Amino acid sequence: DAGVTQSPTHLIKTRGQQVTLRCSPKSGHDTVSWYQQALGQGPQFIFQYYEEEERQRGNFPDRFSGHQFPNYSSELNVNALLLGDSALYLCASRRGTAHNQPQHFGDGTRLSIL
Amino acid sequence: GESVGLHLPTLSVQEGDNSIINCAYSNSASDYFIWYKQESGKGPQFIIDIRSNMDKRQGQRVTVLLNKTVKHLSLQIAATQPGDSAVYFCADPAPNSGYALNFGKGTSLLVTP
Repeated sequence: DAGVTQSPTHLIKTRGQQVTLRCSPKSGHDTVSWYQQALGQGPQFIFQYYEEEERQRGNFPDRFSGHQFPNYSSELNVNALLLGDSALYLCASRRGTAHNQPQHFGDGTRLSIL
Repeated sequence: GESVGLHLPTLSVQEGDNSIINCAYSNSASDYFIWYKQESGKGPQFIIDIRSNMDKRQGQRVTVLLNKTVKHLSLQIAATQPGDSAVYFCADPAPNSGYALNFGKGTSLLVTP
């Protein structure tokens, strides 16, 4: 039973470029959330997808966008990259939208902006 | 501000001892809490969760205690092993953001031989 998988594991970009990160949820999970984790900090919520729609959004600019596909996998897109976007990007999935169901995380994509 | 926060940024324990990691939360409406373990270079790994209708929940070598009166929870790890060295986060779904997980900064647990 595969857990949450993310690709790529590492990525290096330069300022102004665009990036797409990918996530496949744990088997049986249909809700996907994305988080940004800066070094030495806890993860910060970016947004959540369910039934192919963005359901909730954290305090992130419109440069951050996403998509969920019919197979529940998801993408995170970031445009006009800034140095401050350097972070570990985590995908989490759970079954349904009930808040008292545990979210399971992938190992993330380490994004470095030069 | 953050709904959950951790009392100590680092904790050093000897192998075989018990570890206690504490966490305070501010939202009295919070009714579900999760503990995660994050090893270097990996994502947060689910350890154990607890709902507010419980005071205590046990897993394998771990126990979570919830004190709703003082809005405090703790994670106890029995017979701590070197493989327990990691950063530990408590998290709760924030009602004001669609129940997105609200994390504190984490406690770094270092197990010494």
